Amino acid sequence: QQQVKQSPQSLIVQKGGISIINCAYENTAFDYFPWYQQFPGKGPALLIAIRPDVSEKKEGRFTISFNKSAKQFSLHIMDSQPGDSATYFCAASGRGSTLGRLYFGRGTQLTVWP
Amino acid sequence: SQTIHQWPATLVQPVGSPLSLECTVEGTSNPNLYWYRQAAGRGLQLLFYSVGIGQISSEVPQNLSASRPQDRQFILSSKKLLLSDSGFYLCAWSTLGQGPQETQYFGPGTRLLVL
Repeated sequence: QQQVKQSPQSLIVQKGGISIINCAYENTAFDYFPWYQQFPGKGPALLIAIRPDVSEKKEGRFTISFNKSAKQFSLHIMDSQPGDSATYFCAASGRGSTLGRLYFGRGTQLTVWP
Repeated sequence: SQTIHQWPATLVQPVGSPLSLECTVEGTSNPNLYWYRQAAGRGLQLLFYSVGIGQISSEVPQNLSASRPQDRQFILSSKKLLLSDSGFYLCAWSTLGQGPQETQYFGPGTRLLVL
């Protein structure tokens, strides 16, 4: 059973546009929600993360929005650039989970056209 | 600072041959270690995780095995590779008690092609 559901599977955005990737979860014990960015042939790298005590976290052009009641969180990339073209994974973990185990979404392949 | 290494970077192996992939972490002690597999264009599948030397937990039953002979070394092995073992293998680490324990840091990966 997929613990974290991610959509869309792929996304095409024009340069300067806003990219939005959504994730949903069921396990209310989850309390840590990171996003990873992966370029082709590379390992995923932590991009930004949020805990449910805040509804939004912003780092540069990247923003996580978190809706605890709906059990949803999303990544917004403002002023998307061709260099943002990558695969993005959302993930979730809980303090009660097996020693730091992360549950990943299936990923979203983002393409930003110049 | 912490770094994670994986080797080899790329490997082409015939079906039925053995496999050994190595992962080492520097700059931290007693990390949690993880092996993931990523099929082409797919998500991350957790294969094994380890909380200490000799302590391995398996997530998916298959012909792969893992070992942790040293604190910062994690090895993924197979006695006989299958075509379905092809993929991108990623090692990751996380720590307890130092910042967000759930944050995992990934290595550069090993691309395995079984022919």
